Amino acid sequence: QLQLQESGPGLVKPSQTLSLSCAVSGDSISTGRHSWSWIRQAPGRGLEWVGYIYHSGDTYYNPSLKSRVTISINTTKNQFSLRLTSMAAEDSAVYYCARALKWTWYFDLWGRGTLVTVSS
Amino acid sequence: QSALTQPRSVSGSPGQSVTISCSGTSSDVGGYDYVSWYQLHPGKAPNLIIYDVTVRPSGVPDRFSGSKSGNTASLTISGLQAEDEADYYCSSYEGNYQWVFGGGTTLTVL
Repeated sequence: QLQLQESGPGLVKPSQTLSLSCAVSGDSISTGRHSWSWIRQAPGRGLEWVGYIYHSGDTYYNPSLKSRVTISINTTKNQFSLRLTSMAAEDSAVYYCARALKWTWYFDLWGRGTLVTVSS
Repeated sequence: QSALTQPRSVSGSPGQSVTISCSGTSSDVGGYDYVSWYQLHPGKAPNLIIYDVTVRPSGVPDRFSGSKSGNTASLTISGLQAEDEADYYCSSYEGNYQWVFGGGTTLTVL
């Protein structure tokens, strides 16, 4: 079944680093046909694109988060990951992973999202 | 990177039509025909309903349609149904391999 599944801690302390993973089922990251993105939604706020990665390892990040974000890819596990440093309360959000066909600019497949709360 | 502007909420009765606007700039909505729309139901994965301004993915009812004029894109839902009640987000390519989203619109079916 074609799906994306986010996983990671639901609670992170301020200043700590968030690490999330997105497991890809029913498709192979290794085909190189897609880009793999992270998108978040803070409570009461709109969606915010965080960044994406290609199979080649090329990454593109939201300029507002670029200094704190790293997206990586693991073809062996068929998953990709998000690392966000120096977490603060405003980083509390539902984090979604999503897929886009390479060189297109829409997300055709999303995960259900995982809620991350930043609190001491 | 500024968020695209959407109305916070819209509403309509079953069978009616509603239109949700998505305003941007010549650097995003107006500059590219790469506007997409997503439907979000609580607890579910977001669903792509329109891409490349007007294209409807297979499986999306033809009650959903998209358009664009200048720096503003629009999503129209005709023949409103109860299951259309959801949050809707627009998104646009804004160059330099980056995306921008709208602030989201809550659709209430009265």
